[in-house]
Amino acid sequence: DVKVTQSSRYLVKRTGEKVFLECVQDMDHENMFWYRQDPGLGLRLIYFSYDVKMKEKGDIPEGYSVSREKKERFSLILESASTNQTSMYLCAAQLVGRGRDYGYTFGSGTRLTVV
Amino acid sequence: SQQGEEDPQALSIQEGENATMNCSYKTSINNLQWYRQNSGRGLVHLILIRSNEREKHSGRLRVTLDTSKKSSSLLITASRAADTASYFCATDASLSGAGSYQLTFGKGTKLSVIP
Repeated sequence: DVKVTQSSRYLVKRTGEKVFLECVQDMDHENMFWYRQDPGLGLRLIYFSYDVKMKEKGDIPEGYSVSREKKERFSLILESASTNQTSMYLCAAQLVGRGRDYGYTFGSGTRLTVV
Repeated sequence: SQQGEEDPQALSIQEGENATMNCSYKTSINNLQWYRQNSGRGLVHLILIRSNEREKHSGRLRVTLDTSKKSSSLLITASRAADTASYFCATDASLSGAGSYQLTFGKGTKLSVIP
């Protein structure tokens, strides 16, 4: 079965720290995405990547960057963590198929608390 | 930007009853997808319906799509306690190339099935 693995389920970091959230997929999927999920706001797209070393901004990229050096790994970086980045972070992967018939496969999420 | 809006925000039913959730969206779409999220976990893809389809079934799930009204519904028949979760609709409205797209998610319907 296909799998997207996020390295941490829970993470607590201090304000100002540089934070790395890791996501690895074992499915050889081309596309990967980072979302954050907040109560009352739903899921919002932060960044996505359609290929190695490629990245595109989503709806809320401010305060974040990403890295995709290998196809299977997509990292989300909080350059200087702030309390308003406390959230649930969800990574997803998508297979590029004919006719756009494929949904996303999500990881289990990382609940990040910035204190 | 939020594309899909689910209705109702919360739904509580008895086991064995049917559950219906609705989703409305704003712009033309390529496809619409439904996802399920158990508390504190990642999202799981349930079903995808293309813009040229009107109805689709998968097990106890039935999805309809009315592109003229820009709306979709998810019906879960003979609900079980294990169906308790949040359900999200997501739309693919992107103009990007063949198989790659970004999904925009609604805020979800929280379903509680009482044993």
